[in-house]
Amino acid sequence: AQSVTQPDIHITVSEGASLELRCNYSYGATPYLFWYVQSPGQGLQLLLKYFSGDTLVQGIKGFEAEFKRSQSSFNLRKPSVHWSDAAEYFCAVGAKGGGADGLTFGKGTHLIIQP
Amino acid sequence: DAGITQSPRYKITETGRQVTLMCHQTWSHSYMFWYRQDLGHGLRLIYYSAAADITDKGEVPDGYVVSRSKTENFPLTLESATRSQTSVYFCASTLGQGVTEAFFGQGTRLTVV
Repeated sequence: AQSVTQPDIHITVSEGASLELRCNYSYGATPYLFWYVQSPGQGLQLLLKYFSGDTLVQGIKGFEAEFKRSQSSFNLRKPSVHWSDAAEYFCAVGAKGGGADGLTFGKGTHLIIQP
Repeated sequence: DAGITQSPRYKITETGRQVTLMCHQTWSHSYMFWYRQDLGHGLRLIYYSAAADITDKGEVPDGYVVSRSKTENFPLTLESATRSQTSVYFCASTLGQGVTEAFFGQGTRLTVV
């Protein structure tokens, strides 16, 4: 069974500082990996995704993530955070070949931005 | 481009009542999903559907019923609401075969009193 672990429930970062959110997954085959962001009272918006190829993927809003198969990780990074980045971030793993089982989500990391 | 819409956005209901949450998508995506989001649990899959008239259970299906008579609609019914079903419910869809990027609705916040 697939699973996702986001070790950090809360992270506080100063505005302008760099950010790294951790994600570890467990999946028997080549995973499809995603990062979603959820602003308060909103639905989930896709930040970026990894299906295959280059292990460093670029997303929207200046985010990037790196797939490391040896570490079963897919950490999200941003060089300089903005106050508007305060939100809940979810890492997810999906089944290759179709959404038969949907996505398995981590429990989320709540990002707080200090002025 | 309406995308995927959920209704209502907010709902308060009493224990024991039946309530239906609606989900409609305009992309003709094959797969549709219902998740519930609870503090400390992230998102958990309730039911999913691979196509019209094909549905299957997810991780937490008890107390819920779904149907999919048309590709674009995927309603979720709580047959007899309980307080433990107080949650935020998200509907999602994916194109299907070979593609698993999911698009989410805005969510329905359900409170059972």
